[in-house]
Amino acid sequence: DVKVTQSSRYLVKRTGEKVFLECVQDMDHENMFWYRQDPGLGLRLIYFSYDVKMKEKGDIPEGYSVSREKKERFSLILESASTNQTSMYLCASSSQQGAGTEAFFGQGTRLTVV
Amino acid sequence: GENVEQHPSTLSVQEGDSAVIKCTYSDSASNYFPWYKQELGKGPQLIIDIRSNVGEKKDQRIAVTLNKTAKHFSLHITETQPEDSAVYFCAASFNNRLAFGKGNQVVVIP
Repeated sequence: DVKVTQSSRYLVKRTGEKVFLECVQDMDHENMFWYRQDPGLGLRLIYFSYDVKMKEKGDIPEGYSVSREKKERFSLILESASTNQTSMYLCASSSQQGAGTEAFFGQGTRLTVV
Repeated sequence: GENVEQHPSTLSVQEGDSAVIKCTYSDSASNYFPWYKQELGKGPQLIIDIRSNVGEKKDQRIAVTLNKTAKHFSLHITETQPEDSAVYFCAASFNNRLAFGKGNQVVVIP
């Protein structure tokens, strides 16, 4: 069974802390994505990666960075957490085969910044 | 980039009735249109998808229709059941990524 696993379901962090959200996929997918989900705003793309050590900014990259040192792992980093980064964070992966393929999502990490 | 709009934002239906959610997209180069269902506390899961060379696709009680000329596609759920209550997202592909609509909360009333 295909799987995208996010390291935490719930996280509570303090303002100013450096936060790492980890995501691992076991499908040998080339593409990996980080979204945040907020009520009424849907899924907004933060960063994505087409290959190891490669990253591209999405629609809302400010305040975030990412790391992809291995094909199966994609990390989202909040350099200095702020309360407006309280949100649900979703990781996804997809194959590059063909023009447009299914994205598989993790279960999400609900981050609260206090 | 691609802009995907989804209507309505919420939808309540009586159990057994049909539900229809509509999406429009802006980039005529988009050629892959998936629909995702998100249940409470879970990540979105693909329920059906359609490619631009097809006008309609059906899988049991769910179907998707695509009108490329008008740049809109719709999700149809027939004989709705309580387990269909969820948030549904449409998406359109562009540049090897997906652009998502804002989601639709479907509530099936028993």
